Amino acid sequence: NAGVTQTPKFQVLKTGQSMTLQCAQDMNHEYMSWYRQDPGMGLRLIHYSVGAGITDQGEVPNGYNVSRSTTEDFPLRLLSAAPSQTSVYFCASSYFRGQPQHFGDGTRLSIL
Amino acid sequence: QQQVKQSPQSLIVQKGGISIINCAYENTAFDYFPWYQQFPGKGPALLIAIRPDVSEKKEGRFTISFNKSAKQFSLHIMDSQPGDSATYFCAAQTGTYKYIFGTGTRLKVLA
Repeated sequence: NAGVTQTPKFQVLKTGQSMTLQCAQDMNHEYMSWYRQDPGMGLRLIHYSVGAGITDQGEVPNGYNVSRSTTEDFPLRLLSAAPSQTSVYFCASSYFRGQPQHFGDGTRLSIL
Repeated sequence: QQQVKQSPQSLIVQKGGISIINCAYENTAFDYFPWYQQFPGKGPALLIAIRPDVSEKKEGRFTISFNKSAKQFSLHIMDSQPGDSATYFCAAQTGTYKYIFGTGTRLKVLA
């Protein structure tokens, strides 16, 4: 099993560009989420999904969009990248609440 | 009210010593408290977790102590090893799916 797979691993964007960070899991987990990790700030929840077709906002949703058309995939879209979105992005999944999350290895995103 | 405060920010321990990391929370609705371990270039991985109906949970060298009345929980790493050098995050989950993470503790165990 691959677990949670994130692509790309690294990306450099220019301000104003758009891109999609991909996340896929093969564990049939209902719950998926996106976090950003910044130095000294821990992991902050961007968006999450409790199943296909259901998404909701986390702590820092502005500037990001998500959709969940299948159980396996949960892409994160940056519509117009800003330097403040330079960060390491992690996708995670779990069976349901109260169960441990499984994290991908992250996407390191730099916006110039 | 949604914060989870973690301390210390960094910790240096001699090999064989005890590493202690503390977290405090305010929201009494939190009902699941996991600890994650993260190595450089990797995503966090679950280390150990506890629910508020238990005061202590031990798995190998790792122990969570939970004080519900004080709204605090801590991670103890006994017989710390250089391989334990990593960043540790506490977290708390509410009745919804949302997790709130602490700001992390960078642990270095000296050989």
